[in-house]
Amino acid sequence: SYELTQPPSVSVSPGQTASITCSGSKLGDKYVCWYQQKPGQSPVLVIFQDTKRPSGIPERFSGSNSGNTATLTISGTQAMDEADYYCQAWDSSTSHVVFGGGTKLTVL
Amino acid sequence: EVQLVQSGAEVKKPGESLRISCKGSGYIFTNYWINWVRQMPGKGLEWMVRIDPSDSYTNYSPSFQGHVTISADKSLATAYLQWSSLTASDTAMYYCAREGPDSRGLPDWGQGTLVTVSS
Repeated sequence: SYELTQPPSVSVSPGQTASITCSGSKLGDKYVCWYQQKPGQSPVLVIFQDTKRPSGIPERFSGSNSGNTATLTISGTQAMDEADYYCQAWDSSTSHVVFGGGTKLTVL
Repeated sequence: EVQLVQSGAEVKKPGESLRISCKGSGYIFTNYWINWVRQMPGKGLEWMVRIDPSDSYTNYSPSFQGHVTISADKSLATAYLQWSSLTASDTAMYYCAREGPDSRGLPDWGQGTLVTVSS
């Protein structure tokens, strides 16, 4: 089955740029989405189709996807961005949804 | 406004059966797949299963196939997830999520249903 790998944790200082990676075989051939989840809340979609932001998501959130790695970038990171982030793609051979293991973003 | 409203928290004993629900509103229910996602305490998101409400076609993760059953009632705009025999390892938060078209991800999520299985 298809697997997505994320670093367990990433730390960033306020105002700096945070980058969270997601790796998988030929991931660049698939569309990747990213979700933000804060404690006690449901996940929120922040990036879809690799680079697009749903309405209401701040411009500081951006995404890229090439080769075997997709990246979520948060520019000018704010304290409110501290959360768990999950990448997600589809296994095209089975139409199964696949999530990465999640990355805890700490803003300190 | 799209809304997915899930049924309330449940406390069950091992071996008992359970069905939780997810009611969609604010959109045409049969036009979008519904997914169920498990989150065990302190852990990440795990995709379980998805259903096309228009024809009840389903897609199960191998990890959950045979242990849970997904269904949908078009007339009630509601999707269900059920267990015939719960175990302690089913203790988790369960989310339903509406799938967007054209690989747009899961843009809408329910509030979650906490299932606790304990003797």
